[in-house]
Amino acid sequence: KAGVTQTPRYLIKTRGQQVTLSCSPISGHRSVSWYQQTPGQGLQFLFEYFSETQRNKGNFPGRFSGRQFSNSRSEMNVSTLELGDSALYLCASSLGTGGPYTEAFFGQGTRLTVV
Amino acid sequence: QQPVQSPQAVILREGEDAVINCSSSKALYSVHWYRQKHGEAPIFLMILLKGGEQKGHDKISASFNEKKQQSSLYLTASQLSYSGTYFCGTRGVTGGGNKLTFGTGTQLKVEL
Repeated sequence: KAGVTQTPRYLIKTRGQQVTLSCSPISGHRSVSWYQQTPGQGLQFLFEYFSETQRNKGNFPGRFSGRQFSNSRSEMNVSTLELGDSALYLCASSLGTGGPYTEAFFGQGTRLTVV
Repeated sequence: QQPVQSPQAVILREGEDAVINCSSSKALYSVHWYRQKHGEAPIFLMILLKGGEQKGHDKISASFNEKKQQSSLYLTASQLSYSGTYFCGTRGVTGGGNKLTFGTGTQLKVEL
């Protein structure tokens, strides 16, 4: 069974640009969550999508947005990039609705560097 | 609110034991433990639930104290492969879907 696939693995962007990251969850998984990982803040929750609907949202500015497609693949978009957006962006795939045994499986992440 | 992990870092010799703690100020539904090696994805280790149920790794044990909202991960007879950063992720009792709130991590290094 293929794992969670994130593309691209590495990205360098200039301040003010926008970027789109992609995540393909494990086959059969309908929930995709996004996290930002930085040395200072650790793993911070961005948002979760389930069946094409945003179910939860973290405390990030509106420049961070996402969507999920009917095949459960998800994209996140960051507009007007700032230096502080440099981070590892991780996507986590889960089977369903957040019940007691719902594990989250992470992708390798996309390393975004804003210069 | 972010759970607090302790210690922040620990160095072990191979074969030694370690305990990593995770404390939350919120009522928890479950605690999830992950290990992340440098440049790699976090790997799922274990889930602990209210009521004492567990699901996870055969060689790793953990506990969940519901009264204190604390979880501890026990690494026994450590191996070089145990090195990495350990994160606890917590899920609250009120809604939240699959959202996990992670602690800041504990860096574990196992040496020969």
